[in-house]
Amino acid sequence: DIQMTQSPSSLSASVGDRVTITCRASQSISRYLNWYQQTPGKAPKLLIFAASSLQSGVPSRFSGSGSGTDFTLTISSLQPEDFATYYCQQSYSTPWTFGQGTKVEIK
Amino acid sequence: QLQLQESGPGLVKPSETLSLTCTVSGGSISSKTYYWGWIRQPPGKGLEWIGSIYYTGSTYYNRSLKSRVTISGDTSKNQFSLKLSSVTAADTAVYYCARIYYYGSGSQEWTFDSWGQGTLVTVSS
Repeated sequence: DIQMTQSPSSLSASVGDRVTITCRASQSISRYLNWYQQTPGKAPKLLIFAASSLQSGVPSRFSGSGSGTDFTLTISSLQPEDFATYYCQQSYSTPWTFGQGTKVEIK
Repeated sequence: QLQLQESGPGLVKPSETLSLTCTVSGGSISSKTYYWGWIRQPPGKGLEWIGSIYYTGSTYYNRSLKSRVTISGDTSKNQFSLKLSSVTAADTAVYYCARIYYYGSGSQEWTFDSWGQGTLVTVSS
């Protein structure tokens, strides 16, 4: 199985900060990488697919990059509604696997 | 607008079978563009893909659960279902159903683009 490792596991940031989350795959997954946002008690929400394609309706402050084994999710200017847990997920091979999550908290 | 709604017992006894149904509205599980799947999340933990089904009836399961999982579809009711047998406390989780969108031209361009609200299933005697 492909292991997905996110860093950091948590971070504290302020409104307006630029935030970067990293996801590393245990083997090359090309660009078959998705990012999700989950707020407490809610289902995950798709933000980015194919490493860098913004899902319809998602604010442009979210962006994704990377290929192969290393990927990043960037929030250019953190908003109050962005405090949540973020997950990466690979679709290169089954079983599709998720990272352990990165919790973004208010500083 | 697409909506997915999970339903089923919230409490299952150890060694019994967990059964959940996902009812889809605003879209059809017979669509050739989508798979449909189940994902679970133990309390306070991360996400685990359980398996998926295509309109043809083809299924794909996480091999860690494969011996205990069955996913089936009912196109007449626009529903798909999950059965997980021989459950233990480790199967306690929020179970989500989701639509899986195929966005590309190859065999790996898949993403979970729409999710149900999730349902908590507790395994306890």
